[in-house]
Amino acid sequence: KQEVTQIPAALSVPEGENLVLNCSFTDSAIYNLQWFRQDPGKGLTSLLLIQSSQREQTSGRLNASLDKSSGRSTLYIAASQPGDSATYLCAVDRDDKIIFGKGTRLHILP
Amino acid sequence: DGGITQSPKYLFRKEGQNVTLSCEQNLNHDAMYWYRQDPGQGLRLIYYSQIVNDFQKGDIAEGYSVSREKKESFPLTVTSAQKNPTAFYLCATPTGSGELFFGEGSRLTVL
Repeated sequence: KQEVTQIPAALSVPEGENLVLNCSFTDSAIYNLQWFRQDPGKGLTSLLLIQSSQREQTSGRLNASLDKSSGRSTLYIAASQPGDSATYLCAVDRDDKIIFGKGTRLHILP
Repeated sequence: DGGITQSPKYLFRKEGQNVTLSCEQNLNHDAMYWYRQDPGQGLRLIYYSQIVNDFQKGDIAEGYSVSREKKESFPLTVTSAQKNPTAFYLCATPTGSGELFFGEGSRLTVL
């Protein structure tokens, strides 16, 4: 059974720092992995989608990597800003079943 | 603008009532999903539909029902059989490459 874990559950860092969020999964046979952002009381916003054949994807200050063999993905945020404060979730897709992690709640300190 | 719309944003239910949450998309996507999110929990799949007039139970379908009579609409009914319905409900639809797009969510509270 696929399980997705995100550690830590919460993280506070000063503005301007680069940071890494982690996502691990137990079954490496995935189609893709997706990172989302969720603001309080809102739906999820797609940030980056990495297909199983890819190693990384970049969008602006965000870079996501995927290592299927070790069951890990990281989301790198460069030069963090207070507006980056949100919960970040990862999800893996296999056999039309999408499994979500519980998320990392990120707080950027001004 | 193409997108996915959920309504209402907030909903209150009395004990024993059925309530229906709306999800509409104008992205021309075949598949649509309903998730439930509880505080500190990951998203759990309630029902999903891969095509019009077809839908499948997810991991927590008990106490819920859906219909898919039109491609753009996938309403979710929370029945009185759902014993703990207070939660945040999210509707989503994937692109052909698997990227998931979500609505803004509906928060249901039982009085």
